[in-house]
Amino acid sequence: KQEVTQIPAALSVPEGENLVLNCSFTDSAIYNLQWFRQDPGKGLTSLLLIQSSQREQTSGRLNASLDKSSGRSTLYIAASQPGDSATYLCAVRGGTSYGKLTFGQGTILTVHP
Amino acid sequence: SQTIHQWPATLVQPVGSPLSLECTVEGTSNPNLYWYRQAAGRGLQLLFYSVGIGQISSEVPQNLSASRPQDRQFILSSKKLLLSDSGFYLCAWMAQGGRQPQHFGDGTRLSIL
Repeated sequence: KQEVTQIPAALSVPEGENLVLNCSFTDSAIYNLQWFRQDPGKGLTSLLLIQSSQREQTSGRLNASLDKSSGRSTLYIAASQPGDSATYLCAVRGGTSYGKLTFGQGTILTVHP
Repeated sequence: SQTIHQWPATLVQPVGSPLSLECTVEGTSNPNLYWYRQAAGRGLQLLFYSVGIGQISSEVPQNLSASRPQDRQFILSSKKLLLSDSGFYLCAWMAQGGRQPQHFGDGTRLSIL
């Protein structure tokens, strides 16, 4: 059974800092890994999708890396802003045809001015 | 472009009452559809998925059921709600074929009294 763990559970940083969120998973047989952002009381916004054959993906100030063999992914946020404050969720898709995602518990990020 | 709609956004229901939550997707055909529940402190859990009209699979035994009467419509139902059905319900879709991202709706906050 796939298990996904995110560290840290919460993170508070001053504006402008570069930061790293960590995600680990127990079963390396994955199709892909997806990072999401969730604002309070809202749905999930997809940030980045990394296929199992890829090492990293970039979108603006976000960079996600994947080391499938060690079961790890990191989300790097450059030059953090107060608008980045949200919960960040990591989800892995296992080797099934219907696309089930297994989620971590998330990292609550607060960026203060 | 594709969009996903969920309604209602918020719902307060008494124990023992019925439930119907609706999700529709626009701008795509024959998507995979998913219902997730996000309970406090428990993360996101997949409840049901559907790969086509009338095809429903359940991930966990529970008091809820799902139906897909049309290609882009996914309904979550219950005949009699329990207190434990409280939570944040999220609908998601994913294009079939290839390793695609999942996209989520804005969710329904369900409170059982």
